[in-house]
Amino acid sequence: GDSVTQMEGPVTLSEEAFLTINCTYTATGYPSLFWYVQYPGEGLQLLLKATKADDKGSNKGFEATYRKETTSFHLEKGSVQVSDSAVYFCALSLTGGGNKLTFGTGTQLKVEL
Amino acid sequence: DSGVTQTPKHLITATGQRVTLRCSPRSGDLSVYWYQQSLDQGLQFLIQYYNGEERAKGNILERFSAQQFPDLHSELNLSSLELGDSALYFCASSWGGGIDSEQFFGPGTRLTVL
Repeated sequence: GDSVTQMEGPVTLSEEAFLTINCTYTATGYPSLFWYVQYPGEGLQLLLKATKADDKGSNKGFEATYRKETTSFHLEKGSVQVSDSAVYFCALSLTGGGNKLTFGTGTQLKVEL
Repeated sequence: DSGVTQTPKHLITATGQRVTLRCSPRSGDLSVYWYQQSLDQGLQFLIQYYNGEERAKGNILERFSAQQFPDLHSELNLSSLELGDSALYFCASSWGGGIDSEQFFGPGTRLTVL
């Protein structure tokens, strides 16, 4: 079945460090890909998305590129802030399945001063 | 604030009991989704409704049922509760029912089964 694999956390970085969270997927069709963020005690918020190969999604300094050849959608940010501390979820959605999101396990990011 | 409201925020109950979780979508959204977040299963899609009709179904147990009412709010009913049903249950809503519609998530209902 369709699935998403993310790197294990927690990831601990110093402020202004470079961030990469790896995400790969397996899908029977041609998915849309998403990154969601969950701050403590809150619901998930869409961070960015890409709907076709080579698309780059970006928002708030975060970016991710849809790589069909490597079935990957890695999240990057050039300089993290303490306020970026949260859990990040990679997800996919396929046409023909309603709008069901299949999530990875989530990666906790902790940014320290 | 996403505009999606869920009640109650916390629910503590005993095994074998039945509970109802309620979700009000954002104004204008026609589709509602339910997800379960637990430590062992992660974040899993349960079911989607669009304008009152079931649109997609995930790994939802037979003990669980849901519906979307004419005013578009939704309820998730969980019965014969087991310890393993303890989880955070999220509702999300979107304007459309297809892949291009962004889902907005509520703050969740934390269910504890003792």
